[in-house]
Amino acid sequence: NAGVMQNPRHLVRRRGQEARLRCSPMKGHSHVYWYRQLPEEGLKFMVYLQKENIIDESGMPKERFSAEFPKEGPSILRIQQVVRGDSAAYFCASSPPYGAYEQYFGPGTRLTVT
Amino acid sequence: RKEVEQDPGPFNVPEGATVAFNCTYSNSASQSFFWYRQDCRKEPKLLMSVYSSGNEDGRFTAQLNRASQYISLLIRDSKLSDSATYLCVVRGLNSGYALNFGKGTSLLVTP
Repeated sequence: NAGVMQNPRHLVRRRGQEARLRCSPMKGHSHVYWYRQLPEEGLKFMVYLQKENIIDESGMPKERFSAEFPKEGPSILRIQQVVRGDSAAYFCASSPPYGAYEQYFGPGTRLTVT
Repeated sequence: RKEVEQDPGPFNVPEGATVAFNCTYSNSASQSFFWYRQDCRKEPKLLMSVYSSGNEDGRFTAQLNRASQYISLLIRDSKLSDSATYLCVVRGLNSGYALNFGKGTSLLVTP
């Protein structure tokens, strides 16, 4: 049973470019969460999605960041016009649809903005 | 005040030692509690959920004190492979399913 998959594992972007991070949840999981870990910091919640719905985006910066989880395909976290401060590890987690509280994490995408 | 606070360590202990980590949380309405471990900035891996009655999984024991808003993790007979950062994680009543992470406690087990 494959775990949570994320790609790319490493992404380098110049300031002003766009970054797209993808996440495929574990088989049978329909809830997806995105977290960001800045250097020397703890993980911070960004957004919680179910298929075709954003449930909670209270942790998402108001500008330049968006997320989606379409009916088909992976969840996408999109960062427009990246700045150096966006450099971080972005982790995706998934959980089953029946309200389990445990979340399982993917390997993360390390974004470096130059 | 941070929602979840942990002593960052590092804790340096010899193999075979017993080590305990503590964590406090600020939101008294918190519902669910977990310990995750994170190796070298890799993904967090669920170590164990923490229940009000306390729970044990092999060498690991977790305790929850709701009155004091305090969570603990005890590791007995430490192994070299236990070296990692241990993350205290709390889910609040009003945060939906979002997890609140502490910054972690670093453990180094030495031969």
